[in-house]
Amino acid sequence: DTAVSQTPKYLVTQMGNDKSIKCEQNLGHDTMYWYKQDSKKFLKIMFSYNNKELIINETVPNRFSPKSPDKAHLNLHINSLELGDSAVYFCASSQASRFYGYTFGSGTRLTVV
Amino acid sequence: GEDVEQSLFLSVREGDSSVINCTYTDSSSTYLYWYKQEPGAGLQLLTYIFSNMDMKQDQRLTVLLNKKDKHLSLRIADTQTGDSAIYFCAVTATGTASKLTFGTGTRLQVTL
Repeated sequence: DTAVSQTPKYLVTQMGNDKSIKCEQNLGHDTMYWYKQDSKKFLKIMFSYNNKELIINETVPNRFSPKSPDKAHLNLHINSLELGDSAVYFCASSQASRFYGYTFGSGTRLTVV
Repeated sequence: GEDVEQSLFLSVREGDSSVINCTYTDSSSTYLYWYKQEPGAGLQLLTYIFSNMDMKQDQRLTVLLNKKDKHLSLRIADTQTGDSAIYFCAVTATGTASKLTFGTGTRLQVTL
C-alpha cells in the first residue's frame, strides 16, 4: 500500500541516452512534485503540477520534461543525459487545500556513466 | 529567494538530548517542517509548526520557533541509535504556499 511509488529505484545509463522515471500516488492528493537531491544531500525543487497543470518550473535544463497524464501520476523524462544529471530524484505529493507537508517517494538513484 | 541554513553535523550519546537548529530568511514563511531521511530512503515528515505558534511538542520531539530571529529548532529527547539520520528543516516560500524550500540537512550521529 505504498503512498507515493517511483520506478525504477535505480537507473544506470550512458551519457547521451534518454530515460524516464515514473511516479504514482494513491493518496488522492492534487499536487505532485519532482525534487533533485545532489551528492551533498541538497534538495532542490524542479517541477510541480496541480491537477495536471504545471505550476512550478524552476531553472532546469529543457532536457528535463515532466508529464502529468492525471493528478495521480507525474513522470519525468530526461533527454541526452549528462554526467551532472547523476543524483537521486524524489517524487512527492501534497493536498494544496490542507497543506501539512509533502509525502515523498523512496527516490530514484540515477547514475550516468 | 528563500535561504534555509543548518549545521552539517551533530554527534550525541545515546540517551542524551539532541538539538538541531535551522535559520531561514523569509519572515513571512507560514509553515515550517522537520523531515528525517534515513540512508537510502525518502524523506519522512516528522512534525510541523505554523508561524503563529512558538512551540509544539510531539512525544520525544519538541519544535521551537523564534520568528524574530527566524530560527527553528528540533529537540529530540532520549536520543536513540535509530534516530541516526539526516534531518531537514523546510519552509514555505512567500506567495507559493505549496513550494517547500529545504535546508541543507543536519546529519545526526548517535553513539553508544
